[in-house]
Amino acid sequence: GAGVSQSPSNKVTEKGKDVELRCDPISGHTALYWYRQSLGQGLEFLIYFQGNSAPDKSGLPSDRFSAERTGGSVSTLTIQRTQQEDSAVYLCASSLFGYEQYFGPGTRLTVT
Amino acid sequence: QQQVKQSPQSLIVQKGGISIINCAYENTAFDYFPWYQQFPGKGPALLIAIRPDVSEKKEGRFTISFNKSAKQFSLHIMDSQPGDSATYFCAAAPSGTSGTYKYIFGTGTRLKVLA
Repeated sequence: GAGVSQSPSNKVTEKGKDVELRCDPISGHTALYWYRQSLGQGLEFLIYFQGNSAPDKSGLPSDRFSAERTGGSVSTLTIQRTQQEDSAVYLCASSLFGYEQYFGPGTRLTVT
Repeated sequence: QQQVKQSPQSLIVQKGGISIINCAYENTAFDYFPWYQQFPGKGPALLIAIRPDVSEKKEGRFTISFNKSAKQFSLHIMDSQPGDSATYFCAAAPSGTSGTYKYIFGTGTRLKVLA
């Protein structure tokens, strides 16, 4: 079946602009996660959604970052007033009842 | 206490050799330990995972060894092949109240298998 999809695959933006990154999880998966991977680094947890529960936002690095999940499916990660240090690959993952997380291909964000 | 320490940072192995990557954790609440494989330009893909009720799990050429008392676990890749060249991440997670696993990832090991 279809895996996790993310769009766009690449995004170049100017410093100070807002960006929206989209994640389509595997159909039926109840949990959705966002991670950030800086060049040559590990994965940094940002936020996760589980069903209708309040999201765990404990990993968001600043109030410029926000995310929402509509209808328990698609999620959008928004970064306002982008900074050069926001340049990274943003990865989305989904899971069924919290077991194995399946990752999308990521969105490579470059802030110039 | 939330960290997962992974070593080595990079590893070069001859074709047919054994690749060994190690991870250590401190949080005794962790009870799920997956390994992910990531090729350049791709998202991480689940390779194999273990829970602490067993000391070893094998899937094909990939084996996880788990030492609960030492709070360490390792990935062994037997008969390593050039196609195994990738970055490998270990992770650890406590089971959440809703069954959701919030992963803490290691920093990754870049493996290169020489032909």
